[in-house]
Amino acid sequence: QKEVEQNSGPLSVPEGAIASLNCTYSDRGSQSFFWYRQYSGKSPELIMFIYSNGDKEDGRFTAQLNKASQYVSLLIRDSQPSDSATYLCAAFGRAAGNKLTFGGGTRVLVKP
Amino acid sequence: KAGVTQTPRYLIKTRGQQVTLSCSPISGHRSVSWYQQTPGQGLQFLFEYFSETQRNKGNFPGRFSGRQFSNSRSEMNVSTLELGDSALYLCASSLSGQHNEQFFGPGTRLTVL
Repeated sequence: QKEVEQNSGPLSVPEGAIASLNCTYSDRGSQSFFWYRQYSGKSPELIMFIYSNGDKEDGRFTAQLNKASQYVSLLIRDSQPSDSATYLCAAFGRAAGNKLTFGGGTRVLVKP
Repeated sequence: KAGVTQTPRYLIKTRGQQVTLSCSPISGHRSVSWYQQTPGQGLQFLFEYFSETQRNKGNFPGRFSGRQFSNSRSEMNVSTLELGDSALYLCASSLSGQHNEQFFGPGTRLTVL
């Protein structure tokens, strides 16, 4: 079982719709969670981070964390073609040796 | 504030050679982490340096090494290059460690022939 798992996609979303991305992690002791966006040929760009259970909103993005179920999700509202990218989920876990582990990423395609 | 910079941006080497990559973190950031990204394996953690000390490392062979200087700039070295070392090498800086937000540099694209 991978430490951080994501559906590789592609997740196809009509422009203006909500894109919902999910991520599960195996280290129950994970404390910090991050979402990065990576455009093809570019480096990852931090979108959101979340430490506590519940929702965290930033503009069109909402991160949701459920530690009991060990999943993190990212919602992108009013999706735009410019949101087409690969989204990487990452978890920092002390049990995993105090390191940040990335999932394989979910590719999102927003169609006009 | 200037972002994370990496040099060189592109490198072509042949098998058996060695290479040194450089990373300058965001001013004030003391933690620098290195990652290897390939299409097959995704983003994999190499090592993290904080205040000139290696604080953590991933599961890579000893051919991969790094160091950090007193100004927080970091270098990583790969010796005896193999074809499989072809990848995008990314460094990321953060204030105090991977538990905080990390900001990535543009990466160094290494091709081993």
